[in-house]
Amino acid sequence: SQTIHQWPATLVQPVGSPLSLECTVEGTSNPNLYWYRQAAGRGLQLLFYSVGIGQISSEVPQNLSASRPQDRQFILSSKKLLLSDSGFYLCAWRAGGMGGYTFGSGTRLTVV
Amino acid sequence: AQKITQTQPGMFVQEKEAVTLDCTYDTSDPSYGLFWYKQPSSGEMIFLIYQGSYDQQNATEGRYSLNFQKARKSANLVISASQLGDSAMYFCAMREGSFVYQFYFGTGTSLTVIP
Repeated sequence: SQTIHQWPATLVQPVGSPLSLECTVEGTSNPNLYWYRQAAGRGLQLLFYSVGIGQISSEVPQNLSASRPQDRQFILSSKKLLLSDSGFYLCAWRAGGMGGYTFGSGTRLTVV
Repeated sequence: AQKITQTQPGMFVQEKEAVTLDCTYDTSDPSYGLFWYKQPSSGEMIFLIYQGSYDQQNATEGRYSLNFQKARKSANLVISASQLGDSAMYFCAMREGSFVYQFYFGTGTSLTVIP
């Protein structure tokens, strides 16, 4: 069966520091991968998606970036965090076609 | 226009009672899918139920059922026999066609089950 791993679960980082969040999927090949952000008490905002290795599409311009170095690995990064980057970050994957998302357990990022 | 609208920011229900969470959607694509997710305080998004636009019958998964009214473009979630563990945020979502990125979430409904 397919599983998705996301880490770390929580992170407190100072403003201006770098960020790296990692997500890996097991049990499937060539998944579509996604990074979402959820601000406190709000809905989900799609940040990036990827349909294959090295292929990244950005939905919202910001100081975050994403990379997909391997088929089942998706990384969210920042060179310099802002206070507004605080939130709950969710990685997700889905198969093509009609399927829905399977989400990771999320990373709660607090920028101080 | 909003693709997914959830008009109930917060709902309360007595334990063991049924509750309906509202969701309306907007699309002109004949092929779409509707989803409900549960997000407990831990943050994880848990898939609950799926309804395809061509499905003739309403989807059911245990205590969850989806009241799909295509003409009204509504996809309400019905939770029967509420339990304390049902207290969570609930998100309605829609996938348009089969495109990779066209997946829309509502703003969510916070459900509190009262003992």
